[in-house]
Amino acid sequence: GENVEQHPSTLSVQEGDSAVIKCTYSDSASNYFPWYKQELGKGPQLIIDIRSNVGEKKDQRIAVTLNKTAKHFSLHITETQPEDSAVYFCAASKDEKLTFGTGTRLTIIP
Amino acid sequence: KAGVTQTPRYLIKTRGQQVTLSCSPISGHRSVSWYQQTPGQGLQFLFEYFSETQRNKGNFPGRFSGRQFSNSRSEMNVSTLELGDSALYLCASSFAGSHEQYFGPGTRLTVT
Repeated sequence: GENVEQHPSTLSVQEGDSAVIKCTYSDSASNYFPWYKQELGKGPQLIIDIRSNVGEKKDQRIAVTLNKTAKHFSLHITETQPEDSAVYFCAASKDEKLTFGTGTRLTIIP
Repeated sequence: KAGVTQTPRYLIKTRGQQVTLSCSPISGHRSVSWYQQTPGQGLQFLFEYFSETQRNKGNFPGRFSGRQFSNSRSEMNVSTLELGDSALYLCASSFAGSHEQYFGPGTRLTVT
């Protein structure tokens, strides 16, 4: 089955700086790669996603890149703000089953 | 538009008991998936239902089961609870044929 690895497990950045989280996947048939943000006491919130026929997607301060050959994808957050502090999960899917990475706890230092 | 709702939000049960959790998807969403979240194992897929039929199943024992009703609402059941079943159980819904899954707030189950 699919296996998703996510790095780093924790990340601290100064407010205003950029943050990058990286994931690799094992199943070349996976074609959908979402990113979720989870705040304390809440369920994961879909923040951005990318499909395998696209190399990059951007939504305001958030962008995701996908390298199908290397089987890795990354989340980029620019101009970080205190409200970006949360746990971020990547996932990969080829059907309705999402396989998640282990999460990255992002802390924005004011 | 209302999001995914899950009830109850918190539950405390004793080993050996059984529990039923409920999930109401976003209006118009017909696919419902269930996930277990624990500090040790992370987010793991349990099963997915569409049009009252289980389409996908994860690697969980038969004690974990689910069903979906004609209005797309779903329930999951865990029988003979074990301490290791303590977790946050998350439900996600999506449109038919769409990969985009939207999660509810979860049910926090504690087994003592």
